[in-house]
Amino acid sequence: AQSVTQLGSHVSVSEGALVLLRCNYSSSVPPYLFWYVQYPNQGLQLLLKYTSAATLVKGINDFEAEFKKSETSFHLTKPSAHMSDAAEYFCAVTAGPDSSYYMIFGSGTRLLVRP
Amino acid sequence: SQTIHQWPATLVQPVGSPLSLECTVEGTSNPNLYWYRQAAGRGLQLLFYSVGIGQISSEVPQNLSASRPQDRQFILSSKKLLLSDSGFYLCAWSEAGSIQYFGAGTRLSVL
Repeated sequence: AQSVTQLGSHVSVSEGALVLLRCNYSSSVPPYLFWYVQYPNQGLQLLLKYTSAATLVKGINDFEAEFKKSETSFHLTKPSAHMSDAAEYFCAVTAGPDSSYYMIFGSGTRLLVRP
Repeated sequence: SQTIHQWPATLVQPVGSPLSLECTVEGTSNPNLYWYRQAAGRGLQLLFYSVGIGQISSEVPQNLSASRPQDRQFILSSKKLLLSDSGFYLCAWSEAGSIQYFGAGTRLSVL
């Protein structure tokens, strides 16, 4: 069975500082992993995905994540936070029988960016 | 290109009233379709998914039901809403084993 754990329901950083949002997964099969961002009262937008190719994945808006099998982690980073990065971020892993492949989401991390 | 439409954007309903939320996808065939609920301050909970017309799988037994009358249409319903049904409902689609794309969501308030 698959599961995702996001450490820290809230993360606060200063504008220009490094962003690090943590995600650990559990999976009985090689996982596909995703990071989504959700702005208030909107749907989820895909930031990046890992699908067993390169372990360092680059996404939109200078976000990137590194798949570390030994640590079962897929942490999201960005070198320099912008005010516009303030949102909620969800890590997800695919699961499900046959062709369903529904996603299991972490509980989310709200990123606050201080001026 | 593919697009997903979800409506209404917001809805206020009294307890005990029925519910119908609709989601349609354009630009693809035989997508997998999903309904999620996001309660305030919590993550996403998968409610239903469908891999084809008339095929509905329920993940959480509750006061809601889903139907897929057409290939690219997914409907979330309830006969009698409860206060606990309040939340943000998200529809999503994907090609099998691929990325899920989300609609803009429906904010449901049950009073």
